[in-house]
Amino acid sequence: AQTVTQSQPEMSVQEAETVTLSCTYDTSENNYYLFWYKQPPSRQMILVIRQEAYKQQNATENRFSVNFQKAAKSFSLKISDSQLGDTAMYFCALAPYGNKLVFGAGTILRVKS
Amino acid sequence: DAGVIQSPRHEVTEMGQEVTLRCKPISGHNSLFWYRQTMMRGLELLIYFNNNVPIDDSGMPEDRFSAKMPNASFSTLKIQPSEPRDSAVYFCASSLRTGGGETQYFGPGTRLLVL
Repeated sequence: AQTVTQSQPEMSVQEAETVTLSCTYDTSENNYYLFWYKQPPSRQMILVIRQEAYKQQNATENRFSVNFQKAAKSFSLKISDSQLGDTAMYFCALAPYGNKLVFGAGTILRVKS
Repeated sequence: DAGVIQSPRHEVTEMGQEVTLRCKPISGHNSLFWYRQTMMRGLELLIYFNNNVPIDDSGMPEDRFSAKMPNASFSTLKIQPSEPRDSAVYFCASSLRTGGGETQYFGPGTRLLVL
């Protein structure tokens, strides 16, 4: 069975600061993909970043980067220079072979001015 | 590209009524997914299609739920009869293909309230 655990139900950060959201997962597959999705108050699910498990290099998208530790099955998201528009629920997701996404419970991030 | 289109965006109905949710995937995408989101259970995959064929419907809660994909550009999720516990946000997503960890692109969701 595939599981994704996000241990932080809620977090807050001051505008312009850096915050890290945690995610751990479990899978017996060797080939898989990991994602972070953002869900703002509009409820639209938006892809933030995607990581291929066979790539050692951590994925980066502008202010968003991940720390992928395959042996530890950890996939944290770092948001630099936080902006008010980053306020959202963030979901970590695992896609083992077959593209069936398994989502974590989510972390609510509040960016304060 | 218009993205994934869902209709209606909001639906309020009474218990026992039939509800039909609609989805148009991104043109050229071969895989389509239906999810349900509730506070209690989070995001759950209900069913997914590959090339219009249902591949995995193990997440469909009961026989009251059915999904079809008659062609590459249209899918429906039907609940008959509806119950208050079906109240949730239902998302449709599409991806280029399955099997390769392709990114899924989500529609805006349909907020369903069953009274």
